[in-house]
Amino acid sequence: KAGVTQTPRYLIKTRGQQVTLSCSPISGHRSVSWYQQTPGQGLQFLFEYFSETQRNKGNFPGRFSGRQFSNSRSEMNVSTLELGDSALYLCASSLEPPPTSGAPYEQYFGPGTRLTVT
Amino acid sequence: DAKTTQPTSMDCAEGRAANLPCNHSTISGNEYVYWYRQIHSQGPQYIIHGLKNNETNEMASLIITEDRKSSTLILPHATLRDTAVYYCFFTGNTDKLIFGTGTRLQVFP
Repeated sequence: KAGVTQTPRYLIKTRGQQVTLSCSPISGHRSVSWYQQTPGQGLQFLFEYFSETQRNKGNFPGRFSGRQFSNSRSEMNVSTLELGDSALYLCASSLEPPPTSGAPYEQYFGPGTRLTVT
Repeated sequence: DAKTTQPTSMDCAEGRAANLPCNHSTISGNEYVYWYRQIHSQGPQYIIHGLKNNETNEMASLIITEDRKSSTLILPHATLRDTAVYYCFFTGNTDKLIFGTGTRLQVFP
């Protein structure tokens, strides 16, 4: 079974531009989560989608948005890029959304997209 | 947010057991503890999870204290390929997965 794929793997953009990143989850997985990873802040949760609906959102400005398609593939968009948006953007998929409690949960990460903003 | 506390870094000799501690004092009784690791420039990889009982799989063992306020991930025979950042976390009744800063484990020959 193929793993989580993310495209592109590397991207260089200029301040003020916008960018769209793509994630294809493992076949059969319906939940997709996005994370931003920087050396200073570590892994930070961006948002999570299930059945084309955003279920949760982290503490990021509105410039960060996403969506999920009917085939569970997901995209995230960052508008008006800033230097601080340079990071590794990770996508993770799971069969179901993370449970509030009382049940185990496994998510599988893709290799990430490394975005550099100059 | 669900907070965990882990040492920033640890060293371990190849072939020895690596014991990575994690404090999660605010965990609720029905929340699972999860461990992931991230090898340089790759996406995090699931290792193990547990609720109350100790758990073991082909990668590691997880020891959870009786009060569930802390746990220890054990890599029984560390290899150089186990050099990575290890993350411990739980959902904290928010259905968000909040990763901490993790422990950077360096396995040396």
